[in-house]
Amino acid sequence: EVVLTQSPGTLSLSPGERATLSCRASQSISSDYLAWYQQKPGQAPRLLIYGTSTRASGIPDRFSGSGSRTDFTLTISRLEPEDVGVFYCQQCSSSQVTFGQGTKVEIK
Amino acid sequence: QVQLVQSGAVVVMPGSSVKVSCKASGGSFNNNVINWVRQAPGQGLEWMGGILPVHGVIKYSQNFPGRVTISSDESTNTVYMEMTNLSPGDTAVYYCARDVRLYSFCYGFDLWGQGSLVTVSS
Repeated sequence: EVVLTQSPGTLSLSPGERATLSCRASQSISSDYLAWYQQKPGQAPRLLIYGTSTRASGIPDRFSGSGSRTDFTLTISRLEPEDVGVFYCQQCSSSQVTFGQGTKVEIK
Repeated sequence: QVQLVQSGAVVVMPGSSVKVSCKASGGSFNNNVINWVRQAPGQGLEWMGGILPVHGVIKYSQNFPGRVTISSDESTNTVYMEMTNLSPGDTAVYYCARDVRLYSFCYGFDLWGQGSLVTVSS
C-alpha cells in the first residue's frame, strides 16, 4: 500500500500569504492519480485538484498543484479567509486508493 | 444537476451489519464509478472500495477483507455499501463519492453524498 505523508501538520498564515502544502508518497506514483481535497468541519470533502495539476470545476485559480513521482505540492497563492480547513492528498495505485493524514490550514 | 443522496444515521449493535444507500437524484450514475469513503470522528479519510454500475466492476480496499460488499441497482440509480461484523471502531461517517472521470476509479472524487453516520454501540 502506498503511504502518503503530508506536511506540515498545521499551517497558520495571514490573509494574502502563500500557502505551500506537501504530500510525499512512500513509492513513485503516477501523476495522473494524485488529487487534493479541502474539508471544512461538518462538510464532505471538496475536490480541488486532480491529475496533479488540473483544477476541478469551479475551483479558483489561486489553487495550483505540481509535482511528480514521490513529491507533490498544493499551493494557495494568496490565502483567503474561506480557505481554512483540512487539506488531504489522495493517490491511486494498483487499484488501491489512499489518503494522506491531512494538513490543517488556519488563518492568523 | 445530479446529487448523491444517502440514507440516514443509524445506531447498530457490535457484531451486526449495516447497509448504507446512495441514490443519484436528478440523474443517473451514467458511466462514473461510485466510491465509498469513511471518516471516523476527528480522523482522516479512508477509502473502502468502489463500483462501476454500468459494467458491474467492483474494487475493494485491502483493509476490510471479506467485511464490505458494494452493489448497485441501476433501475433505481442506487449504490449500496454493506459492512458486516461491526465493532465500535467502525463508528464513522460513511460517504459515497463519484469519480471525476468516466470509467475511472482513480482520478479524484468530485461529487459527494451528504454522509451517513453509523454508530456502533451496545
